Amino acid sequence: QSALTQPASVSGSPGQSITISCTGTRSDFGGHDYVSWYQRHPGKVPKLLIYGVSDRPSGVSNRFSGSKSGNTASLTISGLQAEDEADYYCASYTSGSTSVLFGGGTKLTVL
Amino acid sequence: EVQLVESGGGLVQPGGSLRLSCATSGFTFSNYAMTWVRQAPGKGLEWVSAISGGDGSTYYADFVKGRFTISKDNSRNTLYLQMNSLRVDDTAIYSCARCHSSSWTDAFDMWGQGTIVTVSS
Repeated sequence: QSALTQPASVSGSPGQSITISCTGTRSDFGGHDYVSWYQRHPGKVPKLLIYGVSDRPSGVSNRFSGSKSGNTASLTISGLQAEDEADYYCASYTSGSTSVLFGGGTKLTVL
Repeated sequence: EVQLVESGGGLVQPGGSLRLSCATSGFTFSNYAMTWVRQAPGKGLEWVSAISGGDGSTYYADFVKGRFTISKDNSRNTLYLQMNSLRVDDTAIYSCARCHSSSWTDAFDMWGQGTIVTVSS
């Protein structure tokens, strides 16, 4: 069970857009929409940002959007704000091992 | 208000056992799948186990199969994780989380603060 692959870090300036990728295998992303994204500030519990590849829970800003193409899922944050600085994790059901895999996490720095 | 509160962590020797609990409130516990996720020091999130909200089917990461057992008590609104044959690399903060639906494959929409498990001699 290898973790999904995310870039270790990304950065952007306030107002810009950034995209975080999450790469797996066909068994990780194929045939279902159980892909989710989480935001975690230091010392806080993870917050669900995106579920079902591209759906946002109530209360999550529409600056956060998700997508999936082939073996890669993506989280895009538009109009970057200082408070977006956090760690971001993707997760997906994988039929390969009948389990859930997380990505290794991406640290977002807002310059 | 939805609340998930873990307990039962502590220091245990390799080969030992611990039972974690996750007391929940603020939602109809039996309607939702629940999961355990851990985070080792300096590492990312790692899925450990899940239990479905319907028939209570259980699922495990390969690295805990045969050692950990997930269960729940709907009458007490409580989730459990029995951990046996603990290893040093099981050291982590263990958090329970509620799935977005009764399906264990769904996203995790509410999380507890976690309980620390340290496996060391």
